[in-house]
Amino acid sequence: GAVVSQHPSWVICKSGTSVKIECRSLDFQATTMFWYRQFPKQSLMLMATSNEGSKATYEQGVEKDKFLINHASLTLSTLTVTSAHPEDSSFYICSAAGTDYGSNQPQHFGDGTRLSIL
Amino acid sequence: QQQVKQSPQSLIVQKGGISIINCAYENTAFDYFPWYQQFPGKGPALLIAIRPDVSEKKEGRFTISFNKSAKQFSLHIMDSQPGDSATYFCAASIVGYSTLTFGKGTMLLVSP
Repeated sequence: GAVVSQHPSWVICKSGTSVKIECRSLDFQATTMFWYRQFPKQSLMLMATSNEGSKATYEQGVEKDKFLINHASLTLSTLTVTSAHPEDSSFYICSAAGTDYGSNQPQHFGDGTRLSIL
Repeated sequence: QQQVKQSPQSLIVQKGGISIINCAYENTAFDYFPWYQQFPGKGPALLIAIRPDVSEKKEGRFTISFNKSAKQFSLHIMDSQPGDSATYFCAASIVGYSTLTFGKGTMLLVSP
């Protein structure tokens, strides 16, 4: 149980295009979803937290207009990297927590999306 | 105060040996401590987690030891196998709040 599917797993696109990454909880309802960015050999850096039906909460230093997050249902959140540039190239990972997070339902992670901007 | 300090940065252990990774935290409000395992090109996977009301939790070859007074917790991997070679992250959070604070990770290599 507790499977989180992230799609696509790998994307290459030209500078200036927008890229959408989907994160789905397949077998549980996720009240809260998280988006992380990870650079090689580094830890996960939280970008934003989204609750179903609400606006995402962005961490300090993360551009809201660059990284658009939508959490329209209890099983789907999307991250759109708008007008992507080479410096946006990274490994993006989503995670999801169940509806009863207060009882220590842990975050479950997707397998990440490798984004390469040419 | 939100930091979780993890050590060592990298670790080489022989097959069959014990791998030990340590973490320390400062925020006494933390009350949930998970460990995640990450293979290259994959997302982290939850290994084992502990609450402060117990000093040790064991699941198979993986054990968390927790020292509340010292604000430290550690992961022990018994009978380490080459398949355990991965990056391990400790984390901490407050029950009822969303955010996980991660350590910087430990790259474990188990030599055959």
